[in-house]
Amino acid sequence: ELKVEQNPLFLSMQEGKNYTIYCNYSTTSDRLYWYRQDPGKSLESLFVLLSNGAVKQEGRLMASLDTKARLSTLHITAAVHDLSATYFCAVDPTSGTYKYIFGTGTRLKVLA
Amino acid sequence: EPEVTQTPSHQVTQMGQEVILRCVPISNHLYFYWYRQILGQKVEFLVSFYNNEISEKSEIFDDQFSVERPDGSNFTLKIRSTKLEDSAMYFCASHNFEKLFFGSGTQLSVL
Repeated sequence: ELKVEQNPLFLSMQEGKNYTIYCNYSTTSDRLYWYRQDPGKSLESLFVLLSNGAVKQEGRLMASLDTKARLSTLHITAAVHDLSATYFCAVDPTSGTYKYIFGTGTRLKVLA
Repeated sequence: EPEVTQTPSHQVTQMGQEVILRCVPISNHLYFYWYRQILGQKVEFLVSFYNNEISEKSEIFDDQFSVERPDGSNFTLKIRSTKLEDSAMYFCASHNFEKLFFGSGTQLSVL
């Protein structure tokens, strides 16, 4: 069974600090997605990573994918309160079916 | 930006009752999905739908569940006889061959 694990599960950090969220998965896949979810809200797409070595950046967030290590990272630079949310990675193990397997989620709280 | 819309946003029902959750996918998308998220847990795939038939379904999607595209725009999820454990947020999604776009969800509470 494919497993997608994130760590940490909870992250409380001060504004202005940097941190990285890790997403490990247990089978080969070259498609990985990052989503953000605010409490009670839908899933907002952040990044689409489609190949080994892919790196994408948007504002204070940067995501990367290492398919050989089966690892993706979401790096937060100089966190601000507005980044407080739950972040999910998702893997599409049978490329192109969009039958995502989601990670456990990382609940991020940025303290002012 | 185009959106996937879902109605209702909240649905409360009694155990054993039938519910229908409704979705309008993005108009030029062809593949549709239902996912669910039990409170505080991860998001789980239920079913995918293409060309008026189910493409894949998970173990969760048993005989109590069905999906339908009754017209050119709506996509529905029906639960025939709800159980307490069906309480969850249900998300509809569709894709453009790049990524899934999720709707705002229907929070289903089974009492």
